[in-house]
Amino acid sequence: AQSVTQLDSQVPVFEEAPVELRCNYSSSVSVYLFWYVQYPNQGLQLLLKYLSGSTLVKGINGFEAEFNKSQTSFHLRKPSVHISDTAEYFCAVSVDNAGNMLTFGGGTRLMVKP
Amino acid sequence: DAGVIQSPRHEVTEMGQEVTLRCKPISGHDYLFWYRQTMMRGLELLIYFNNNVPIDDSGMPEDRFSAKMPNASFSTLKIQPSEPRDSAVYFCAGGQLSGNTIYFGEGSWLTVV
Repeated sequence: AQSVTQLDSQVPVFEEAPVELRCNYSSSVSVYLFWYVQYPNQGLQLLLKYLSGSTLVKGINGFEAEFNKSQTSFHLRKPSVHISDTAEYFCAVSVDNAGNMLTFGGGTRLMVKP
Repeated sequence: DAGVIQSPRHEVTEMGQEVTLRCKPISGHDYLFWYRQTMMRGLELLIYFNNNVPIDDSGMPEDRFSAKMPNASFSTLKIQPSEPRDSAVYFCAGGQLSGNTIYFGEGSWLTVV
C-alpha cells in the first residue's frame, strides 16, 4: 500500500514571496506522483505530474515540483506567489501510470497575504 | 467538453432521509470514481468503476451507502438512511486507462441535519 504525508496543514506566505509545499510518500513499488489544487468551493484540478524522465516537473500557474527518489519526496514550489494562489493543495501517488488509482495526502492550505 | 457534471451541487436534508447524488462523466472515460472529502478524514476513495463495473468498493463506509453505474454516461451514489456524520463534499471523478489524469467534478455539498 501507498501513503502520502503532507507535512504542513497550513502555509501562510506574503504575496510575491517564494513557497514550498512539502510532500513525502511511502510505497514498496514504483509510484507516479501528482499535485492537485482545489480552489474554494470547487473540485480538484491537476497542477502537474511526474511519470518518468526529468525529475523536475513544471506545471500550470508557474508551479514546479521535484521528484527525489532517495528522499521519497515530491515538494511543490513557486518562486513568487499571487493572492490567486490561495487554495488547498493535494499531493497524490499512484502505482498506475494512468493516474487512476490515486492515494491523496491530507492537503496543505496555502494562504497568500497581501 | 462540459467536464464531469455533478448534481445536486448543494443539498440539505434531514437525518433518515434518502440522498441520491448524480454524476455524468466525460465521454470516453472508462474509469469513474466517487470520493468523499471531510475536514477530519480528508479525501477518501469510496468506490470506483471500470467500464461501468464496480471494481473496488472497500471504501464505502457502511451498507447505507450504495453506488451504481447503469451506463457509461451516468452514475449515482445513494445514502439511505442518511446521518449527520455523512455531511461532506462528495466528488465524482473520471479518467481513461490510456490517460494520466483524473478529472474531478465540482462536488456535491451534502449537509444532513
